[in-house]
Amino acid sequence: SAVISQKPSRDICQRGTSLTIQCQVDSQVTMMFWYRQQPGQSLTLIATANQGSEATYESGFVIDKFPISRPNLTFSTLTVSNMSPEDSSIYLCSVRVNGEQFFGPGTRLTVL
Amino acid sequence: AQSVTQLGSHVSVSEGALVLLRCNYSSSVPPYLFWYVQYPNQGLQLLLKYTTGATLVKGINGFEAEFKKSETSFHLTKPSAHMSDAAEYFCAVSARNTGGFKTIFGAGTRLFVKA
Repeated sequence: SAVISQKPSRDICQRGTSLTIQCQVDSQVTMMFWYRQQPGQSLTLIATANQGSEATYESGFVIDKFPISRPNLTFSTLTVSNMSPEDSSIYLCSVRVNGEQFFGPGTRLTVL
Repeated sequence: AQSVTQLGSHVSVSEGALVLLRCNYSSSVPPYLFWYVQYPNQGLQLLLKYTTGATLVKGINGFEAEFKKSETSFHLTKPSAHMSDAAEYFCAVSARNTGGFKTIFGAGTRLFVKA
């Protein structure tokens, strides 16, 4: 199994600013995933982050808007840049261990 | 590439009745399949998963699902609904892509349980 923590757990931000979300896993993992869950909707994969290489982004998501760092095998950050109210969502970090996907508690972001 | 379709954004059943939540998937490689439950303002909880082997898988809280390759389905069932089962349920498919495994979620089905 894997235990994932995220910081911050929630934040309220002004439009035009940026927020960096941190994800820490209690074991070393090759791939870390970032998802977004907009209000009342399902989870959408933003990108996959491998240690030591650039993240792979899904259609509709770009590095300039959601830069990701992956400095080691237990940590990753996701930055939501130049925020607008449409970015208000829960952002979740996830890892895959032994065929099972584990999720962090999420970061609830509200953009005013 | 893979995709997931959950039939019915809302399902309503009476307490004690059968619960059936439908999920169909597409995948170009053998998939792993999952059902997650999300209670209001809470995180995702894994109900059950299919990787290989027995096609009927049992999960927590009395739920089970059957992998039917010929129908590309992975429907979730529970013989008797309980009020506490009211939640959002997500079907997910995970498969190996060029960059490794990727898990895609369905749109979700909200289950209502009537007394």
